Amino acid sequence: QVQLVESGGGVVQPGRSLRLSCRTSGFTFSHFGMHWVRQTPAKGLELVAVIWYDGSNKYYADSVKGRFTISRDNSENTLYLQMNNLTAEDTAMYYCARDRGTRGNLYYFQHWGQGTLVTVSS
Amino acid sequence: EIVLTQSPATLSLSPGERATLSCRASHSISSDLAWYQQKPGQAPRLLIYDATYRATGIPDRFSGSGSGTDFTLTISSLEPEDFAIYYCQRRSGWPPGFGPGTKVDIK
Repeated sequence: QVQLVESGGGVVQPGRSLRLSCRTSGFTFSHFGMHWVRQTPAKGLELVAVIWYDGSNKYYADSVKGRFTISRDNSENTLYLQMNNLTAEDTAMYYCARDRGTRGNLYYFQHWGQGTLVTVSS
Repeated sequence: EIVLTQSPATLSLSPGERATLSCRASHSISSDLAWYQQKPGQAPRLLIYDATYRATGIPDRFSGSGSGTDFTLTISSLEPEDFAIYYCQRRSGWPPGFGPGTKVDIK
């Protein structure tokens, strides 16, 4: 079955960096677009970044553009999110999610990981 | 940016009752809408996509309708496991966005 397992969250000081990983199994990773979605009680669910199945295109929410970088390793079936210059507003549960479409993003989130919590605090 | 609003914020019902949840878009989004269910401590789960199509493994008591700006998620007869928060999500426009959610709780 499809599995997505996030890791790398934790408590970090403002201005510091963190790298999230999402290990996947149960499907052909290289065929699917992947997303990072975050959730907070105050702002709800927010799509942070998306990467095409082959890594050829990447898009970011304005709130993280220039600070976050999404990447993937199709040989390792793993998705990443490099987060730099973190602020308190980045505190959230971060989920990786697999797109519903193959070789083209439909922007429907078919499968989700269990999430990894990022807390930015001094 | 296209904004999604959901109503009501909370719906208090008993098992066996019918639930009707609404999602409204500030501009037309054709049928580019999904519904998700989220239970405490869990990730969201895709229920409906393209406004009316059930995702794999979703029971047929869940149904979606609507197009343009007005959408509805109907749960025909609530099961105990259906008490949760439900979110709508549009895929039109960048970035794709979610509604604030409707909590369905036990009356």
